Amino acid sequence: AQTVTQSQPEMSVQEAETVTLSCTYDTSESDYYLFWYKQPPSRQMILVIRQEAYKQQNATENRFSVNFQKAAKSFSLKISDSQLGDAAMYFCAYRSPYFGNEKLTFGTGTRLTIIP
Amino acid sequence: DSGVTQTPKHLITATGQRVTLRCSPRSGDLSVYWYQQSLDQGLQFLIQYYNGEERAKGNILERFSAQQFPDLHSELNLSSLELGDSALYFCASSPYDQAHTGELFFGEGSRLTVL
Repeated sequence: AQTVTQSQPEMSVQEAETVTLSCTYDTSESDYYLFWYKQPPSRQMILVIRQEAYKQQNATENRFSVNFQKAAKSFSLKISDSQLGDAAMYFCAYRSPYFGNEKLTFGTGTRLTIIP
Repeated sequence: DSGVTQTPKHLITATGQRVTLRCSPRSGDLSVYWYQQSLDQGLQFLIQYYNGEERAKGNILERFSAQQFPDLHSELNLSSLELGDSALYFCASSPYDQAHTGELFFGEGSRLTVL
């Protein structure tokens, strides 16, 4: 079974600065998806960024980028130019593409606070 | 708006009671997933249905059951409720498509409070 570990329960960053959230995972599969979801106080789960394991290039979405290290099974999220609206819980998640194992497996989350 | 609809948004009930949570997936999505999120916890996978059939089961209690109907909406039934069942219950859906990028689309959740 796959596991996802987020070792930083809480992080804080000054507005306009850069912060990196860590995530490691364990799997024996060679093909899979990785995601970062954001959960603001509204509790809605919002997709921030996705990465397919077969792609070597790190995904980028505006101010959000990832550092995907497949051999190390590491998938960190970098948020540049942090904004007050970035304050939320961030969950790293793993998904297998294979039959019967397509669920998302989540880490325990990192609560990000933005300091004005 | 993800396109996934969950009802009710909030539900308060007493211990020992039974409730039903409903989920309508995005148009065309065949897979439905149920997750439980207790206070300040991560999301725990409960169960997945694909086109009406159970596809995968997680840590779902025997007091809980689910089904997916021919119109693809799904219901999660929680019975003999305990205080510890108070949580946010999410439904998510996804298509089954080789070109799909893999993400799940989440509803806004149903917040259950058991008193």
